[in-house]
Amino acid sequence: GQQVMQIPQYQHVQEGEDFTTYCNSSTTLSNIQWYKQRPGGHPVFLIQLVKSGEVKKQKRLTFQFGEAKKNSSLHITATQTTDVGTYFCAGIDNYGQNFVFGPGTRLSVLP
Amino acid sequence: GAVVSQHPSWVICKSGTSVKIECRSLDFQATTMFWYRQFPKQSLMLMATSNEGSKATYEQGVEKDKFLINHASLTLSTLTVTSAHPEDSSFYICSATETATYEQYFGPGTRLTVT
Repeated sequence: GQQVMQIPQYQHVQEGEDFTTYCNSSTTLSNIQWYKQRPGGHPVFLIQLVKSGEVKKQKRLTFQFGEAKKNSSLHITATQTTDVGTYFCAGIDNYGQNFVFGPGTRLSVLP
Repeated sequence: GAVVSQHPSWVICKSGTSVKIECRSLDFQATTMFWYRQFPKQSLMLMATSNEGSKATYEQGVEKDKFLINHASLTLSTLTVTSAHPEDSSFYICSATETATYEQYFGPGTRLTVT
C-alpha cells in the first residue's frame, strides 16, 4: 500500500538557523498537505500542494512539491522558538481515496 | 514503533443505521485520542478530542449526539456515527498521543460510505 516517509525524525536547531523536513511517498500523489502540531495540541493544517513542481511560501515557510509528485519539502528560514512542534506531511493518492500521514518530524529550537 | 489501528478499514452501511469505528493504540497507552474527518482532497478536520475516562470535547459544528465518542481505556477509543446519512460518508482518522512521550501517532483511517 501507499507509504509516506519523513526525514529527519528529529531535528534540533539553534534559533535563527534554517530547518528542512523531507517527505517521500512510495506512490505518485494527487496532492500533499502539511500540518503542524504544537506540543500538547493537534495537527493544524498549513498548506496543500497540488501541481508538479509547485512552490508556495508562507512568511518564513517554503513548501515544495516535487516534479514527479512523489516528494515534498518544508523549509523554515531563520527558525524561531514559536516554530517548535511536529511537522506532518500527508499524501493523497491519485484516486483521492488514500490519505496517508507521514510519521512527522519533531523540531526543537534552542533559544 | 508505536502503532495505532482502526477497525474497520472501510464500511458501507444503509442510511439510518449506526456504525462504530474503533481506534486502538497497540503497544502504548494513550491518554488522549483525536478524531478527524477528511473529505476527498480536503484537509483534515478535527472533530473531537477524547480523553480517557472523561467526556470528549467536540469542535464547533460537530454534533455530539450524532458522533458518539467513548474512550473507556488507555488503548481504545470508539466513534459511533448514529443514524448515518449519505452526507456522513467520509474518511475518518484517529490519532493517539502516547502518555509517556507525547508523541502522536495516526491510525490508517476508516472509509465510511452511507448508501
